[in-house]
Amino acid sequence: GQNIDQPTEMTATEGAIVQINCTYQTSGFNGLFWYQQHAGEAPTFLSYNVLDGLEEKGRFSSFLSRSKGYSYLLLKELQMKDSASYLCASYNFNKFYFGSGTKLNVKP
Amino acid sequence: EPEVTQTPSHQVTQMGQEVILRCVPISNHLYFYWYRQILGQKVEFLVSFYNNEISEKSEIFDDQFSVERPDGSNFTLKIRSTKLEDSAMYFCASSVGTGSYEQYFGPGTRLTVT
Repeated sequence: GQNIDQPTEMTATEGAIVQINCTYQTSGFNGLFWYQQHAGEAPTFLSYNVLDGLEEKGRFSSFLSRSKGYSYLLLKELQMKDSASYLCASYNFNKFYFGSGTKLNVKP
Repeated sequence: EPEVTQTPSHQVTQMGQEVILRCVPISNHLYFYWYRQILGQKVEFLVSFYNNEISEKSEIFDDQFSVERPDGSNFTLKIRSTKLEDSAMYFCASSVGTGSYEQYFGPGTRLTVT
């Protein structure tokens, strides 16, 4: 089966750093993806991890530990426009399994 | 910047009717996907398509659904005998494939079944 867990909602302050966690239990695993989705819009790709470790992409970083079934997305220097849902998805041979998403509220 | 396009943006249909949702992936992309998202729920994978055939499909993608790449640009999702519970946003996505997993999503088609 496929089970992907992420917190439902988080709040952070503009300019701060926030970490969004994701744990997964999937039968078969080839990588972990992160997407941003603003309300009423399509998901936008942020990053992916195939191997263990940290991937950095500007203000966004993503970490993966395959042995622990754990990933996190780190957002630095938060901006108001970062208020959105962040979706974690596991990838297995061209199939994707999404978590329910973490709604991030950025406050001034 | 190239983008994935989808038509129509909103489709209203009666229960039992057939609908075809259309997508134009980015031109040099080789992998194509359909997802759906019921309002307020998570994104659900439906199917992936590569080299003119289905690569993977989810449990949701049963005989009611089919996909086709009728020409070099369009990628379609057909839903036969629609049900109320098929009401959702349907997203198409594409990726280059080899060497890059980055998926680009289209803006979606909102399907409303009445």
